[in-house]
Amino acid sequence: QSVLTQPPSVSGAPGQRVTISCTGSSSNIGAGYDVNWYQQVPGTAPKLLIHSNTNRPSGVPDRFSGSKSGTSASLAISGLQAEDEADYYCQSYDTSLTGSAFGTGTMLTVL
Amino acid sequence: DVKVVESGGGSVQPGGSLRLSCSAFGFAFNRYPMHWVRQAPGKGLDFVSSINTDGRTKYYADSVRGRFTISRDNSKNTLYLQMSGLRTEDSAVYYCVQQFDGYSYDKWGQGTLVTVSS
Repeated sequence: QSVLTQPPSVSGAPGQRVTISCTGSSSNIGAGYDVNWYQQVPGTAPKLLIHSNTNRPSGVPDRFSGSKSGTSASLAISGLQAEDEADYYCQSYDTSLTGSAFGTGTMLTVL
Repeated sequence: DVKVVESGGGSVQPGGSLRLSCSAFGFAFNRYPMHWVRQAPGKGLDFVSSINTDGRTKYYADSVRGRFTISRDNSKNTLYLQMSGLRTEDSAVYYCVQQFDGYSYDKWGQGTLVTVSS
């Protein structure tokens, strides 16, 4: 059911910077709807990381940043730490679904 | 403490019914649209249903429309999901979530597990 496409996995060494892409279409990201990002450590509930494309909720480190352009968005994580190892999901509203569209999910491995 | 707590999950046979509940604490429940999102074992996140603040506007994923009903009781700060005609593919952890800025999901509960199996 996922209509937003993400790479299955990304990896990086501690201290490095990684980016995760999220590709949508004209019924979601391309229609101007905001993109949000979540972090999910296996066995726990997702946690909101970025909302409204670029905004970090209180308590989220500024190592995490979001951007959006056209029908795509990206999550960047700088200064990688072992605790960043988790699954990451993008999400946006989709007019054809009249509800949320989630990304396929990306597993981040810290080498 | 600001949180949502889901309950009502369990094991049921195909074709059976369950009602999930979600109790909200520490925030103005009646001011926020609420959603149900589910995650099948080892899979990604899927939108299930949403409801606006006064309960009059509801949306459903195609996969559950006609079988699931979302509702809310603002006097009890509680969200519900009545599920009937359950299928094996409905097996998942069901999360109750508060809609936030940018159509994001700010508060997540621990989820409640629904298992549909014969």
